[in-house]
Amino acid sequence: EAGVAQSPRYKIIEKRQSVAFWCNPISGHATLYWYQQILGQGPKLLIQFQNNGVVDDSQLPKDRFSAERLKGVDSTLKIQPAKLEDSAVYLCASSLDDLEGDEQYFGPGTRLTVT
Amino acid sequence: AQSVTQLDSQVPVFEEAPVELRCNYSSSVSVYLFWYVQYPNQGLQLLLKYLSGSTLVKGINGFEAEFNKSQTSFHLRKPSVHISDTAEYFCAVIQAQGKAAGNKLTFGGGTRVLVKP
Repeated sequence: EAGVAQSPRYKIIEKRQSVAFWCNPISGHATLYWYQQILGQGPKLLIQFQNNGVVDDSQLPKDRFSAERLKGVDSTLKIQPAKLEDSAVYLCASSLDDLEGDEQYFGPGTRLTVT
Repeated sequence: AQSVTQLDSQVPVFEEAPVELRCNYSSSVSVYLFWYVQYPNQGLQLLLKYLSGSTLVKGINGFEAEFNKSQTSFHLRKPSVHISDTAEYFCAVIQAQGKAAGNKLTFGGGTRVLVKP
């Protein structure tokens, strides 16, 4: 079974530029998550989708971050404009459903450096 | 709101020695508990989880953890570590609120384990 795919793996941009990350979840998984992991910290949930609808985006900085999952499969996360503090690893995860305790499978992440 | 505290940011340990990683949580409701491992430049991999039942949970790679409700702890142990166990370990919780829309993981800050030969 193929795992969660993410691209690019690494990205370096200057502040005020925009950037987009892509995630392809495990086939058949209805729930998709985006996490932000700042160096030295645990991951923090940014947004959770159930199929193509948003379940939780309470910690997404909506003035600069946006995410979509138009057909209920792939997802993109965008930052516009980027700030220095956005430097982090962005992890995508998926689970079969959104029932509590459903195992979340993580992709390798995209490491973003904002200079 | 729930929170997770991992008491040790780094744990150096010699190969074949035992290791214990401490995790405490706070929550006003029941929780489900997880331990994840993250190898360098990789995503997180689930080691084990506690949803209900026996408080001693066995996971992959010889790891186990014990849920202690009175002490709100979920410490991770391995009796004999290998060089390949060098990684970062994260404890996480989900609030058991009895509704379908959820499954939001809250992570601790992580414990970096360095296994020395």
